[in-house]
Amino acid sequence: SQTIHQWPATLVQPVGSPLSLECTVEGTSNPNLYWYRQAAGRGLQLLFYSVGIGQISSEVPQNLSASRPQDRQFILSSKKLLLSDSGFYLCAWSVESGTEAFFGQGTRLTVV
Amino acid sequence: KNQVEQSPQSLIILEGKNCTLQCNYTVSPFSNLRWYKQDTGRGPVSLTIMTFSENTKSNGRYTATLDADTKQSSLHITASQLSDSASYICVVTRRAAGNKLTFGGGTRVLVKP
Repeated sequence: SQTIHQWPATLVQPVGSPLSLECTVEGTSNPNLYWYRQAAGRGLQLLFYSVGIGQISSEVPQNLSASRPQDRQFILSSKKLLLSDSGFYLCAWSVESGTEAFFGQGTRLTVV
Repeated sequence: KNQVEQSPQSLIILEGKNCTLQCNYTVSPFSNLRWYKQDTGRGPVSLTIMTFSENTKSNGRYTATLDADTKQSSLHITASQLSDSASYICVVTRRAAGNKLTFGGGTRVLVKP
């Protein structure tokens, strides 16, 4: 069966520090991968999606970047965090046919 | 522009009562529509998924409808329980490269005893 792992679950980082959130998927090949952010009391905002290794599409200009070094690994990064980067970050995957999407448990990021 | 709008933003109902959540979308070309339940601090979990040819789908006390002509969907919760308190998110997939998902803002439901 397929599973998705996202870590860490919570993170408190000072302003200006770097960020690296990792997401890995097991049990499937060549999934579509997504990074979302959910600000407090708001809906999910698509940040990046990837249809293959090294292929990253950015939806919103921002302080973040994403990379896909391996087929089932998706990394969200920042060189210097801003206060506005605080939020709940979710990784998700779907098969190419798009009939289902599965989410990780999320990372609560607080920038102080 | 591909968008998904949900209403109401929030809803308070008494335990045992029914409620209906709305989702309107402009995503095109349409592939499928899903309703997710998201508990606070957790990732969304799929409740139902409907393709263009389906107009109703049930999952226990949850029943989703889809009108692909008017681009509207609803999620009906029957005999609500305290555990139904969560955010309910409508997600539409565009039939395009990458099968990009477009999320609605969600409806926060609070079930009170």
